[in-house]
Amino acid sequence: EDKVVQSPLSLVVHEGDTVTLNCSYEVTNFRSLLWYKQEKKAPTFLFMLTSSGIEKKSGRLSSILDKKELFSILNITATQTGDSAIYLCAVRGNTPLVFGKGTRLSVIA
Amino acid sequence: NAGVMQNPRHLVRRRGQEARLRCSPMKGHSHVYWYRQLPEEGLKFMVYLQKENIIDESGMPKERFSAEFPKEGPSILRIQQVVRGDSAAYFCASSPTGTYEKLFFGSGTQLSVL
Repeated sequence: EDKVVQSPLSLVVHEGDTVTLNCSYEVTNFRSLLWYKQEKKAPTFLFMLTSSGIEKKSGRLSSILDKKELFSILNITATQTGDSAIYLCAVRGNTPLVFGKGTRLSVIA
Repeated sequence: NAGVMQNPRHLVRRRGQEARLRCSPMKGHSHVYWYRQLPEEGLKFMVYLQKENIIDESGMPKERFSAEFPKEGPSILRIQQVVRGDSAAYFCASSPTGTYEKLFFGSGTQLSVL
């Protein structure tokens, strides 16, 4: 059964800190790994990764995939209170997207 | 440029009643996915539909749950004879192609069963 494990489950940091969120997975016939940000309700798409070692970047957020070790990290630099959210990792294999439980990030001023 | 629209945002039902959740995909998207999220749990896949077709319902409970996506109108997730365990947030997502990837999510319907 495909599985996604995220760590930590929750994290509290101060504004300006850098955070690293982890996602490890087991999936049959890996196709892609996706990161979503969930604030209030609707998850919004951040990144899709398919190849190892290629960093995806968007502003202060970046992500990289290691297909050999079966994990991905999401980095957020110079965190702001607006980064407070649940960050979801999902993988696509032979089945529809399988999501992890998410990491709840709280950024305090 | 509306996104995925779900209604109602909140739905309260008593045990034994029926719940109908609606989802209109983004313009130009013909693939719809339903996910359920329990408190402190990840999103769990339920069903994937295209217009007038159920493509994958491997995550759907065998009883009381059904889904449709008619030629005209929104996709409907229907839960008959609701029980307290059905209380959850139900999310709909859409995509332009049937690759399951890069889904665009609606804001969800929070179902509460009394």
